[in-house]
Amino acid sequence: DIQMTQSPSSLSASVGDRVTIACRASQSIGGYLNWYQQKPGEAPKLLIYGASTLQTGVPSRFSGSGSGTDFTLTISSLQPEDFATYYCQQSYNTPVTFGPGTKVDIK
Amino acid sequence: EVQLVESGGGLVQPGGSLKLSCAASGLTFSTYAMHWVRQAPGKGLEYVSAISYNGGSTYYANAVKGRFTISRDNSKNTLYLQMGSLRAEDMAVYYCARDGRPGDLDYYYGMDVWGQGTTVTVS
Repeated sequence: DIQMTQSPSSLSASVGDRVTIACRASQSIGGYLNWYQQKPGEAPKLLIYGASTLQTGVPSRFSGSGSGTDFTLTISSLQPEDFATYYCQQSYNTPVTFGPGTKVDIK
Repeated sequence: EVQLVESGGGLVQPGGSLKLSCAASGLTFSTYAMHWVRQAPGKGLEYVSAISYNGGSTYYANAVKGRFTISRDNSKNTLYLQMGSLRAEDMAVYYCARDGRPGDLDYYYGMDVWGQGTTVTVS
């Protein structure tokens, strides 16, 4: 199985900050990487698929990059509604696996 | 509005069975592969199962293989997850989700529409 790791596991940031979350796969997955946002008590929401393609309706302050084993989710200017947990997910092969999540909270 | 609504969760004893349903509306259900993902209390997301748009292909995580069965009824716009031999570690919120593109099972585009989840308690 492909193992996914994320760093950091949590971070504290202020509104307006630039935030970067890293995701690493245990083997090369090309561009088969998706990012989700989840707020407490809510279902996950797809932000980015294919490592860098923004899902329809997602604000442009979110961006994704990377290929192979190393990927990044960037929020260019953190907004109050962005405080949440973010998960990466590899879709290269089965079993599909998620990273453990990165919790972004208010500094 | 595209909507997925799960139901069927509840309290079940270890070793028991439960059948979850996911009713879809506002989308051409029969053209999309569908997924089940679960989340144990305070934990991260775990992929459970998937089924192709016509039910011809299915996938199960090792943790549930042989105990869970995914199915769908396209005439009723409904996805199912029959769960058996339930264990404490199956306790979670179960979400159904739509594949990101119509057609055959393809994980590349992610899961773009999710239900609100239904809670399964094993105790």
